[in-house]
Amino acid sequence: EVPLLESGGGLVQPGGSLRLSCSTSGFTFGHYEMNWIRQTPGKGLEWVAYISRSGQTIYYADFVKGRFTISRDNAKNSLFLQMTSLRVEDTAVYYCVKEVELWGRGTLVTVSS
Amino acid sequence: QSALTQPASVSGSLGQSITISCTGSTRDVGGYNYVSWYQQYPGEAPKLIIYDVTDRPSGVSNRFSASKSDNTASLTISGLQAEDEADYFCNSYTNSSTLLYVFGTGTTVTV
Repeated sequence: EVPLLESGGGLVQPGGSLRLSCSTSGFTFGHYEMNWIRQTPGKGLEWVAYISRSGQTIYYADFVKGRFTISRDNAKNSLFLQMTSLRVEDTAVYYCVKEVELWGRGTLVTVSS
Repeated sequence: QSALTQPASVSGSLGQSITISCTGSTRDVGGYNYVSWYQQYPGEAPKLIIYDVTDRPSGVSNRFSASKSDNTASLTISGLQAEDEADYFCNSYTNSSTLLYVFGTGTTVTV
């Protein structure tokens, strides 16, 4: 059983939208803070967004603020990232990360015309 | 907010020890004891090997150790083994207004 499993990545045109999901198992999801972190060959690892256990506290990196929305459903043990107004530079592997400890396998988002 | 600075590559022979540095500022590495280190093999997700500057998660080899001095954190791999050949990244909490966490530029270890 994979503790963190991302889905929803794919190819999208600039200006488009995608919704990433992360299904979790094997731990009490609602007890942990969660992050989305992305990785590109050129820029390396970049923290994208954080959400508290309850979902009431949220932080974003400046480069996604106003375009991305992080959310969670503790009843369904799931984390989400709604991405809008996507840019070519958002192309990356997006990881769902339990605190900064446990990483999913990632989902590739490619923004290209 | 710039990434934390790591050497691009470090190499060593089997059985040797190597050290990877991770240099930041007082806003991140120097200001908080929240430095983590990750090991990443090609095509795989990063794996946590050190957290809170010096602590090792259960199951991680004690050949991995870490420390911090001022604005620089360091990861030491002792008794280098072939399986240690991978990329290594550091990470720190930051009080930047634009980020919550900042990552290192990454170091490729060659054995």
